[in-house]
Amino acid sequence: GAGVSQSPSNKVTEKGKDVELRCDPISGHTALYWYRQSLGQGLEFLIYFQGNSAPDKSGLPSDRFSAERTGGSVSTLTIQRTQQEDSAVYLCASSRDSQFEAFFGQGTRLTVV
Amino acid sequence: AQSVTQLGSHVSVSEGALVLLRCNYSSSVPPYLFWYVQYPNQGLQLLLKYTSAATLVKGINGFEAEFKKSETSFHLTKPSAHMSDAAEYFCAVRKSGGGADGLTFGKGTHLIIQP
Repeated sequence: GAGVSQSPSNKVTEKGKDVELRCDPISGHTALYWYRQSLGQGLEFLIYFQGNSAPDKSGLPSDRFSAERTGGSVSTLTIQRTQQEDSAVYLCASSRDSQFEAFFGQGTRLTVV
Repeated sequence: AQSVTQLGSHVSVSEGALVLLRCNYSSSVPPYLFWYVQYPNQGLQLLLKYTSAATLVKGINGFEAEFKKSETSFHLTKPSAHMSDAAEYFCAVRKSGGGADGLTFGKGTHLIIQP
């Protein structure tokens, strides 16, 4: 596609439920990133993929958070047993490996009630 | 580790006035620096980037930034503010080392344009 696509755009879930957030990067972009944006913490790096592997998972806040990428394309961020503090906008970005101009999606707004 | 500090969570300028948004960085290696803009309920858009070429970088929408190593600064400027510039602006530095990649962002500066 023309840009980074994220779905759903909004998600409301009950505390304790699992959620999956999806990111479709720009075609041909080998690098993919997940970030979290919240009022209290600003923009936080979560995880970086190069192809299907994740050399940097240092930003994942707890073991309830996981992510995978398949076929060097689509990525899914999974949050298990959601907590209210997980409420935030989750942003995905992709870039061509050598250029590092990261293009961001519109984000998924997650609300845990 | 790399980090950036944005001075001023809110900056207010009059339409037509100079815009100056401050960013200082910390990095043990030559940094790659970026400015992004975020309009309400939208994702981030790249304004400009510094990747060790020219120290004065020109971006979109009339914005530019100057890399000053001696001051560890990368301030964003625009000669004349427009109402449409009202948004959140983020300075960022590229992570590096040990297989890391991605951006470390500052806390952001909310730019307010007064008519």
